[in-house]
Amino acid sequence: RKEVEQDPGPFNVPEGATVAFNCTYSNSASQSFFWYRQDCRKEPKLLMSVYSSGNEDGRFTAQLNRASQYISLLIRDSKLSDSATYLCVVGALGRFGAGTRLTVKP
Amino acid sequence: NAGVTQTPKFRVLKTGQSMTLLCAQDMNHEYMYWYRQDPGMGLRLIHYSVGEGTTAKGEVPDGYNVSRLKKQNFLLGLESAAPSQTSVYFCASFPVVGPYNEQFFGPGTRLTVL
Repeated sequence: RKEVEQDPGPFNVPEGATVAFNCTYSNSASQSFFWYRQDCRKEPKLLMSVYSSGNEDGRFTAQLNRASQYISLLIRDSKLSDSATYLCVVGALGRFGAGTRLTVKP
Repeated sequence: NAGVTQTPKFRVLKTGQSMTLLCAQDMNHEYMYWYRQDPGMGLRLIHYSVGEGTTAKGEVPDGYNVSRLKKQNFLLGLESAAPSQTSVYFCASFPVVGPYNEQFFGPGTRLTVL
């Protein structure tokens, strides 16, 4: 089993849709959780950290479920500019998931 | 502030050649990491450093060596390049390890080994 697993997608959604990604992890001792965004052939950039109690930043909501060992990212009211690959990162040594590709269409 | 820079941006090598990738950061960060990214596999940690003069192996260290002689620089070396090392290499830095500390990435080096 991989340490961090994501549904690779692709997710193709219309503008305005709500889309959710999950990311499961195997190391129950992990303390750090992040969602990064990566545009084609560019470096990853932090989208948001994931707090134990869950957190929201505008249209983006991140949740952590320690019991089931997964984190989630919810994007509401999708924009064309949200089209990218979303990477989850777990732990201090930066274990990355393979990424989930999202395409938002007009 | 330049942030994290990587040199070179692109390189083509022949099998068996050697090269060094340079990562530099001007944010006085303690931690520096080298990743490789292959299609469909996300980023995998090659080596990392928790401070000047220290290095440690990551998930996929074989075929690579690193050095951190100065706090601001982290070098990744390929002694004898192989086609399996064709990849995009990203360097990242961050101040300390913590639950909410962001990694800052360089723009990447695209390496092709023929």
